[in-house]
Amino acid sequence: EDKVVQSPLSLVVHEGDTVTLNCSYEVTNFRSLLWYKQEKKAPTFLFMLTSSGIEKKSGRLSSILDKKELFSILNITATQTGDSAIYLCAVVLASGTYKYIFGTGTRLKVLA
Amino acid sequence: GAGVSQTPSNKVTEKGKYVELRCDPISGHTALYWYRQSLGQGPEFLIYFQGTGAADDSGLPNDRFFAVRPEGSVSTLKIQRTERGDSAVYLCASSVTSGGYGELFFGEGSRLTVL
Repeated sequence: EDKVVQSPLSLVVHEGDTVTLNCSYEVTNFRSLLWYKQEKKAPTFLFMLTSSGIEKKSGRLSSILDKKELFSILNITATQTGDSAIYLCAVVLASGTYKYIFGTGTRLKVLA
Repeated sequence: GAGVSQTPSNKVTEKGKYVELRCDPISGHTALYWYRQSLGQGPEFLIYFQGTGAADDSGLPNDRFFAVRPEGSVSTLKIQRTERGDSAVYLCASSVTSGGYGELFFGEGSRLTVL
C-alpha cells in the first residue's frame, strides 16, 4: 500500500528557531513530492521536488529530496508566528492515475 | 474564475439526507480532484477527473458517494443517505496539467456536518 508518513506530528517552537520537518514515503512508482502549507482551509503550494539532492529555496523555507532513502525535509529558518500552520507533504504516483497521496501533516506552532 | 471555488462553504444536514457539494475549478484546468479531510488528518483522496471522465474513483468509500463532471469543468460530489462518519471538510483541487506534473490548487473546502 502506498504510504506517506510525516514527523513530528506537532511541534512548538519560539520565534527565531529553525525547524526541520520530515516526510518519508513508500510508494510503488514515484513521480514527485510536494509540500503545502495549510493555515485555515485551503492548502497553499510551497515546493515540488522531482530530483534527488537539488535544494528548492524560497525565502526562509527550503526543501530537499532523497530518492534513495525515500524522504524529504522542509526547513524553516528564523521562524515567525506567521509560519504557524499545518505543513502537508504529498507524493504523486507516476503510473496509473497520478493521484496525490498526502501525509497526515505536521502542526507547527511558533510562539512570540 | 481566479481560484477554485467551492459551495457551500458549510453544510449541516441530518443523518440519512442527500447532499451535493459543488466545485468550480480554475478555468482551463483539465484535472480535478476531490479530497476529504477529517480533523487532525491529511487530505484523503476520493476521486480524480481528467476532463469529463473519472480517471480514478478508487478513493470513494462506498456506493453512497458519487461525483460527476459532465462538461469537463464544474464538478459535483454527491453523497446519499449521509452518515455521521461523513462529517469532514471536502476539498476540491484542480491542476492545469494531467499526469501529476503540476501543483494542485485547492479551494477553501466545504465543511459537512451530519447530525
